[in-house]
Amino acid sequence: DTGVSQDPRHKITKRGQNVTFRCDPISEHNRLYWYRQTLGQGPEFLTYFQNEAQLEKSRLLSDRFSAERPKGSFSTLEIQRTEQGDSAMYLCASSRVGGLNTEAFFGQGTRLTVV
Amino acid sequence: AQSVTQLDSHVSVSEGTPVLLRCNYSSSYSPSLFWYVQHPNKGLQLLLKYTSAATLVKGINGFEAEFKKSETSFHLTKPSAHMSDAAEYFCVVSDLGVDSSYKLIFGSGTRLLVRP
Repeated sequence: DTGVSQDPRHKITKRGQNVTFRCDPISEHNRLYWYRQTLGQGPEFLTYFQNEAQLEKSRLLSDRFSAERPKGSFSTLEIQRTEQGDSAMYLCASSRVGGLNTEAFFGQGTRLTVV
Repeated sequence: AQSVTQLDSHVSVSEGTPVLLRCNYSSSYSPSLFWYVQHPNKGLQLLLKYTSAATLVKGINGFEAEFKKSETSFHLTKPSAHMSDAAEYFCVVSDLGVDSSYKLIFGSGTRLLVRP
């Protein structure tokens, strides 16, 4: 296991710019998740993929957010026209297919700062 | 929908004394519960999970948690705190979403401070 890898680790951008984050899950994991964590809060679910299919999107994911997982491997999360409220840690996780007690493995996250 | 409530935002203990981090859950069916730990500048790491095989669950680094259905609780304990235990701890429940999707629902977290 090489673990879940996220790139970049830190991103500072000006308001109104677009940003894209990448997540490489553990290779045999079919499920991939994106979460957002703001200071002092627990991670909040954004979206979920099973293989290449995006099965659920949170209401938190406005039209400015889009996520893809082409070929069921790595995933990207794009934020268009960033706002200061988008400043947060964006976490990616992956897991095997299984029941509700299946463990998810998390990456170290991408910290986004919008100035 | 499933949810978890962490009753304390901060817990402070002295090194060598017991740790208790409290979590209550709300679930319409038998829940799958987890505790994750987050050290500064590190990813979330699984401490333990409840799978209904046993109500007392042992995890890594000496932590354990007891599932109590009557109290809808899943409190995390450790007999003796170590300085390296200082971190943010999250109680988590898994949930089924639309189209058979899966997601983890996190509590707001408890920051554990360990005094020398």
